[in-house]
Amino acid sequence: EVQLVESGGGLVQPGGSLRLSCAASGFTFSTYWMTWVRQAPGKGLEWVAHIKQDGTEKYYVESVKGRFTISRDNAKNSLYLQMNSLRAEDTAVYYCARHPHGTFDDWGLGTLVTVSS
Amino acid sequence: QSALTQPASVSGSPGQSITISCTGTSSDLGAYNYVSWYQQHPGKAPKLMIYEVSNRPSGVSNRFSGSKSGNTASLTISGLQAEDEADYYCGSYTRSNTWVFGGGTKLTVL
Repeated sequence: EVQLVESGGGLVQPGGSLRLSCAASGFTFSTYWMTWVRQAPGKGLEWVAHIKQDGTEKYYVESVKGRFTISRDNAKNSLYLQMNSLRAEDTAVYYCARHPHGTFDDWGLGTLVTVSS
Repeated sequence: QSALTQPASVSGSPGQSITISCTGTSSDLGAYNYVSWYQQHPGKAPKLMIYEVSNRPSGVSNRFSGSKSGNTASLTISGLQAEDEADYYCGSYTRSNTWVFGGGTKLTVL
């Protein structure tokens, strides 16, 4: 059974940093693209970033470019999202998702990030 | 990258069929057949219902079907059931190697 478990969320002040983690199990992590998707309170889904199997390709939504960095450690079956220079509008539940060709087929339960002073 | 366009809400009675539209551009939805649909119940994670326009993952009811014409994709739910009441999101790959979602549609089963 595929399991994706996010962690690392919490309350952070504007301008601060957080590192999210996603622990994967139940599948061969190193063979899948992986993705971060977020959802602000009461709002819709927003794709944030995705990363190729070997980490050589990374893509971001325009609003987080230069502030967020997606990475992975295939030896640890883990996906990460380093978030710097956080803003109030980054407040959201952050989901990691497995990303086979053309879709997102399994999702974690999410971790809440709140940016507030 | 602008979000795909979905109706904010749709409704239907049990047993009826409803269709949710999702409109994009020639740079995203119209460019590829990488269109997916996700169901999200309140407080839960999204669940994949349709991928690559019209394919159903294992375990998803055949009451759910998808299609696409040009820059518009559609999700049809037939034989509406109370448990179908949820938010539905479309998503598409884009020419920029990114992804974009629709704004979401709230389905109410009357």
